[in-house]
Amino acid sequence: SQTIHQWPATLVQPVGSPLSLECTVEGTSNPNLYWYRQAAGRGLQLLFYSVGIGQISSEVPQNLSASRPQDRQFILSSKKLLLSDSGFYLCAWKQGTYEQYFGPGTRLTVT
Amino acid sequence: GNSVTQMEGPVTLSEEAFLTINCTYTATGYPSLFWYVQYPGEGLQLLLKATKADDKGSNKGFEATYRKETTSFHLEKGSVQVSDSAVYFCALRLTGAGSYQLTFGKGTKLSVIP
Repeated sequence: SQTIHQWPATLVQPVGSPLSLECTVEGTSNPNLYWYRQAAGRGLQLLFYSVGIGQISSEVPQNLSASRPQDRQFILSSKKLLLSDSGFYLCAWKQGTYEQYFGPGTRLTVT
Repeated sequence: GNSVTQMEGPVTLSEEAFLTINCTYTATGYPSLFWYVQYPGEGLQLLLKATKADDKGSNKGFEATYRKETTSFHLEKGSVQVSDSAVYFCALRLTGAGSYQLTFGKGTKLSVIP
């Protein structure tokens, strides 16, 4: 069966520091991968999606970036965090016509 | 563009009460519709879905019917439990090639008290 992992589960970082969040999927190949952000009191915002290795589409211009170095690995990064980057970051995967399945999330607090 | 509008929460109900969470959508094509649930501190889980008009999705006692004429997909449950306390998200996805994205509503927080 397929599983999706995210780490770290929680993270507290100062403003201006770099960020790297990792998402990996097991039990599937060539999935579509997604990064969402859920800010406090707000809905889900799609940040990036990827349909293959090295292929990244950005939905919202911002100081975040994403990379997909391997088929089942999706990384969310920032060179310098802002206070507004705080939130709950969710990774999801989808294959073919199946629905999106979400990881457990990473709660990021920028101080 | 595509959008999903949910009733604003929070919604607080007593155990065994009837639940309705309204969801309406606008879409440029013919969407599939979903309800996701997020329990405290966790990621989202697919609760139910419907892919065409008049389809009824159901799971764990929850139901939602795809109403094309009213562009709605309201979530209902006849008797809620404390364990149903969570945030519920309505979402749509257009069908066809390139349909990579889910468009979510803002979520409705449900609290069920004993």
